Amino acid sequence: GAVVSQHPSWVICKSGTSVKIECRSLDFQATTMFWYRQFPKQSLMLMATSNEGSKATYEQGVEKDKFLINHASLTLSTLTVTSAHPEDSSFYICSARSGRAEQFFGPGTRLTVL
Amino acid sequence: DAKTTQPPSMDCAEGRAANLPCNHSTISGNEYVYWYRQIHSQGPQYIIHGLKNNETNEMASLIITEDRKSSTLILPHATLRDTAVYYCIVRVAAQGAQKLVFGQGTRLTINP
Repeated sequence: GAVVSQHPSWVICKSGTSVKIECRSLDFQATTMFWYRQFPKQSLMLMATSNEGSKATYEQGVEKDKFLINHASLTLSTLTVTSAHPEDSSFYICSARSGRAEQFFGPGTRLTVL
Repeated sequence: DAKTTQPPSMDCAEGRAANLPCNHSTISGNEYVYWYRQIHSQGPQYIIHGLKNNETNEMASLIITEDRKSSTLILPHATLRDTAVYYCIVRVAAQGAQKLVFGQGTRLTINP
């Protein structure tokens, strides 16, 4: 299947700082990218959907000013967690899709906020 | 999208077939059944999907009942590396931003 990468794979930051996570589609152009969050022993929760060149669509309950998503090119989307707090500590996973093709997931980024 | 119901956990012996059930009694005619799995601390991995016919690929087989209200994912010869959480998802595979909504899945443990 297609390859999706995320960087960094893990990050530790202090409370109040901002953290940027990158999601790249390595061998295809992703017209749509999705961002998920997963807390320990829970399922994946969709945070937002982004289409290249347009604003992201956020799921109910997800603060768009706190989780900034940029999908500036067909191979890159970024998620910035602004003013991170310990409750934002989680496993963040992106997925990418080209047209009507299947979604392929990245390996995830583990964020720990101290 | 229709809701799915899966057992929370299952065990299977290494080398045997693992059969994972999924109920989707409210599935609509244009909704597909997708299966993904997530190995600990990794992103989900696509396994297989189908509409009404049974499907097989190099990873697994998908058996969908005639009324489409339930399906079974079959891993023919389970290995220890198949230990993961398996998610059954029903959704419309059409144009637009079709999102995957994950339920709680089945935690499959393959025992040596």
